[in-house]
Amino acid sequence: GAVVSQHPSWVICKSGTSVKIECRSLDFQATTMFWYRQFPKQSLMLMATSNEGSKATYEQGVEKDKFLINHASLTLSTLTVTSAHPEDSSFYICSARVSSGGASSYNEQFFGPGTRLTVL
Amino acid sequence: AQSVTQPDIHITVSEGASLELRCNYSYGATPYLFWYVQSPGQGLQLLLKYFSGDTLVQGIKGFEAEFKRSQSSFNLRKPSVHWSDAAEYFCAHRGSTLGRLYFGRGTQLTVWP
Repeated sequence: GAVVSQHPSWVICKSGTSVKIECRSLDFQATTMFWYRQFPKQSLMLMATSNEGSKATYEQGVEKDKFLINHASLTLSTLTVTSAHPEDSSFYICSARVSSGGASSYNEQFFGPGTRLTVL
Repeated sequence: AQSVTQPDIHITVSEGASLELRCNYSYGATPYLFWYVQSPGQGLQLLLKYFSGDTLVQGIKGFEAEFKRSQSSFNLRKPSVHWSDAAEYFCAHRGSTLGRLYFGRGTQLTVWP
């Protein structure tokens, strides 16, 4: 099946620094990738939808300048948490959608393993 | 508005017992429905999905789910739970082939030996 990787799997950084998280589709091309944030014992909150070659679409309440998303190729999207603070500590999960097209296609999303960010 | 409700935050069952996790959705048309499982510190794995056709769908790891339009439900079932099934389970739906996923809050499953 389709595989999505994330790097790093966990990161600890000091407050005020920026952290970049990579999301890669390893064996398929993904025109669309999604970035989610998950707090402990809670559901996934969609942060933004990233389309290759265009600007990301952010959900209401998500700071665009805080969470920079770049989707420069069909297999790579990056999320940069700028000037990170302790409240940004969370589990970040990406997913990539297989764009196989067709009205009957599931256009299934495949999820990465997540990145645990801890800001001290 | 589209939404997904998982009324049970935490369920505990004994190994070998049957399991049913509830999921209700709110959407005017026929949704695309999914169940995902998440182990601690991991991403999500798709258990099964409903797109159309037979309302009883089979998934991986012995799970099945039944779509009931009249009840706006898509409950997940397993006849005999294994200790390795302990995890967080998320129900999700999508309103179109290219739409975003809407997730429920999740149900934490604990399995007693």
